[in-house]
Amino acid sequence: QVTLKESGPVLVKPTETLTLTCTVSGFSLTNARMGVSWIRQPPGKALEWLAHIFWNDEKAYSTSLTSRLSISRDTSKSQVVLTMTNLDPVDTATYFCARIVLGSGELDWFDPWGQGTLVTVSS
Amino acid sequence: DIQMTQSPSSLSASVGDRVTITCRASQSISTYLSWYQQKPGNAPKLLIYGTSSLQSGVPSRFSGSGSGTDFTLTITSLQPEDFATYYCQQSLGATTFGQGTRLEIK
Repeated sequence: QVTLKESGPVLVKPTETLTLTCTVSGFSLTNARMGVSWIRQPPGKALEWLAHIFWNDEKAYSTSLTSRLSISRDTSKSQVVLTMTNLDPVDTATYFCARIVLGSGELDWFDPWGQGTLVTVSS
Repeated sequence: DIQMTQSPSSLSASVGDRVTITCRASQSISTYLSWYQQKPGNAPKLLIYGTSSLQSGVPSRFSGSGSGTDFTLTITSLQPEDFATYYCQQSLGATTFGQGTRLEIK
């Protein structure tokens, strides 16, 4: 059974850096054509993709947030870490990690997802 | 980035109804589209990938179609557990999601 679980701070102050960890089980971070993504959802709003890291360590970032994001992995711990710098109250959201599966061509999808962790940015 | 626009933003329907949700891309995305269901307080769940491939374990009353810029998610014979918010997701270049369609009980 594939599971993912997010962990990190619940409350972060403006301008601080957020570090979130996704711990996976049931698959390896080096499994071909798979990876882990981070996606967030502000309260009552839509989903927003943030970043991917793939089985070959290739990384990709949201165009609008690329300067603030960094994604990395520790394969020995089955963990993927997302850091986001210079937090602002608008970054308050539930942050999900999800396994990304690559299909043919440019097709990819997210399955399954972690339960999510709510991060509040406030002084 | 490619913009995804879902319609309607919300709709009310009854158990047993057939409903269709539309997702339009700002440019052609071939069939690089997936659909998710999200219930309050829960993570999204994959329903359909590659426009029309049903994820394992998802009931056959869910189906998807389309190509290029216009896509649909159809639910035949709505069940009580289907009332949720639905999102489309495209994966050509940078991934983007639609704004969601909230399906409510009439």
